[in-house]
Amino acid sequence: QVQLVESGGGVVQPGGSVRLSCGVSGFRLNSYGVHWVRQAPGKGLQWVTFIRDDINEKYYADSVKGRFTISRDNSKNTLYLQMNSLRTEDTAVYYCAKGEWPYSGSPPDYWGQGTLVTVSS
Amino acid sequence: QSVLTLPPSASGTPGQRVTISCSGSSSNIGSNYVYWYQQLPGTAPKLLIYRNNQRPSGVPDRFSGSKSGTSASLAISGLRSEDEADYYCAAWDDSLSGLVFGGGTKLTVL
Repeated sequence: QVQLVESGGGVVQPGGSVRLSCGVSGFRLNSYGVHWVRQAPGKGLQWVTFIRDDINEKYYADSVKGRFTISRDNSKNTLYLQMNSLRTEDTAVYYCAKGEWPYSGSPPDYWGQGTLVTVSS
Repeated sequence: QSVLTLPPSASGTPGQRVTISCSGSSSNIGSNYVYWYQQLPGTAPKLLIYRNNQRPSGVPDRFSGSKSGTSASLAISGLRSEDEADYYCAAWDDSLSGLVFGGGTKLTVL
């Protein structure tokens, strides 16, 4: 069955960097688009970024553009989120989520359990 | 400020029917599928309705979705205590080139 498992969260100082990983199973990473969605404590869901299936097409929310980078390693079935120049407002649980189809416009159908990133001095 | 508009709260008694409405615009709901997610306390979101009105396997038929123009609705019939959760609508937005969510509706079963 489809599974997504995030890792890499923790406490990081403002201005710092962290890389999140999302290991997937039950589907081929190069056959579906994948999102990162975050949820600040006590708040709603906020979309962060999306990468489509087998071509290097990526989309970012304005709030993270230029600071965050989504990438994937199909051979390892792993998705990444490189987060630089972190701000306190980036504190959130970060979920990776599989798109229902391969290309842009595809909302998630499966979600990981999330990993918490806390930006604090 | 969320792009899609959901009521912050909704409530009902066991057995009742509750409807949650999600309002958007021509660039999101008006031109793309609407998805609904249920998030139980302390857990990850779970897909409840996809492509406006389709239920994934395992989702009870008490849950139904519909869409008309730039609005969508989630209906829950035969309300049960385990339906108490946060509900989110989502759609791709062609103008923003990104996924947009409603702010979430907290459903309370009285």
